[in-house]
Amino acid sequence: EAQLVESGGDLVQPGGSLRLSCAVSGFTFSIHPMHWVRQAPGEGLMWVSRIGPDGGDTDYADSVKGRFTISRDNAKNTLYLQMNSLRAEDTALYYCARDHGSLGDCWGQGTLVTVSS
Amino acid sequence: DVVLTQSPLSLPVTLGQPASISCRSSQSLVHSDGITYFSWFHQRPGQSPRRLFYWVSNRDSGVPDRFSGSGSGTDFTLKISRVEAEDVGVYYCMQGTHWPPYTFGQGTKLEI
Repeated sequence: EAQLVESGGDLVQPGGSLRLSCAVSGFTFSIHPMHWVRQAPGEGLMWVSRIGPDGGDTDYADSVKGRFTISRDNAKNTLYLQMNSLRAEDTALYYCARDHGSLGDCWGQGTLVTVSS
Repeated sequence: DVVLTQSPLSLPVTLGQPASISCRSSQSLVHSDGITYFSWFHQRPGQSPRRLFYWVSNRDSGVPDRFSGSGSGTDFTLKISRVEAEDVGVYYCMQGTHWPPYTFGQGTKLEI
């Protein structure tokens, strides 16, 4: 059974940095594109970033471009999101999601990022 | 960016009765490869989203057959033939044809 487990969420001050991780198991990680999707408190879903199977191609939402970096280690079955220059509006539950057919056939439980002074 | 507009945003339903949610796109979601990368998700309170359908009408594993997805081009519909208590939550449509960015609808809250 496919499992995705996010970690790394925390309370951080504006301008700070965090690195999120998503450890996967139960499927061949290296063949799937992967995504980060976030959900601000009480709000809807917002796509953040995508990475191709070999990590060679990446894409970002305009609101995080230049501040966030997605990466993956296929040997460790782990997806990452490095978040720099964090803003209050980045406060959200961050999900990693697998892409099979399209985004989101499998999701983690989310990790909470709170940006506040 | 593609804008997805869902209606209604709130859907009170009666157990055992049908329900329908609409999602309209600001542009056609037919990709140059011929596939329409349109999906529906369900999120129960306090849980992660779960994909119900991909490519408009392809049902994900374990999704009850009382759910159906249909539509083409810019207009799509999710139908529940007989609502059950476990169907409460928020339903989102999403497009993966014209990315980046992938975009979601605002969500439709289904309540019993």
